[in-house]
Amino acid sequence: DGGITQSPKYLFRKEGQNVTLSCEQNLNHDAMYWYRQDPGQGLRLIYYSQIVNDFQKGDIAEGYSVSREKKESFPLTVTSAQKNPTAFYLCASSRRQGAYEQYFGPGTRLTVT
Amino acid sequence: QQQVKQSPQSLIVQKGGISIINCAYENTAFDYFPWYQQFPGKGPALLIAIRPDVSEKKEGRFTISFNKSAKQFSLHIMDSQPGDSATYFCAGNYGGSQGNLIFGKGTKLSVKP
Repeated sequence: DGGITQSPKYLFRKEGQNVTLSCEQNLNHDAMYWYRQDPGQGLRLIYYSQIVNDFQKGDIAEGYSVSREKKESFPLTVTSAQKNPTAFYLCASSRRQGAYEQYFGPGTRLTVT
Repeated sequence: QQQVKQSPQSLIVQKGGISIINCAYENTAFDYFPWYQQFPGKGPALLIAIRPDVSEKKEGRFTISFNKSAKQFSLHIMDSQPGDSATYFCAGNYGGSQGNLIFGKGTKLSVKP
């Protein structure tokens, strides 16, 4: 059963703590993405990676970090430097960078108090 | 600067009616214009997409109308059903090795029985 998995579905953290969100895909896609979704704001790109060991900042990268050590995995770390970390985070993948069809995971809702 | 503007923000339609969501773009470098559908608590999924050299594309009850000269495109949902209730995002796609999707802010559609 191919697709993208994100874990956990809900995550709670205290302010000042770093937290890592997991994203795994078994679609053999080269490109992977992280988006942040806030009510009424659409989907905003945090980071993207077109190939293993390479990643680029998106529109709102400040306070976030990523790694791409394996083709299947693209974890996102929300650091304590992110001013408003509470949001719904979506991971996606596509066959190649620049393809308009992206496959999304089910998302992780992060709440920081 | 918002490159893809979407309206309305929310839409209520009676069952069997036509739902219409509009988008406008600024950048003529987009190579595809996809629409994504997102149900509550889930990740978005590609619904339908159109190239800028095509004026209309139809898939079942879903139709994209594209007006290149006006830089506008719209999604029409014919015979709207309660199961169509979701948030819809239009997007412009930058193809190429550094390409990405630029999303509109979304339209929350509610179809009343």
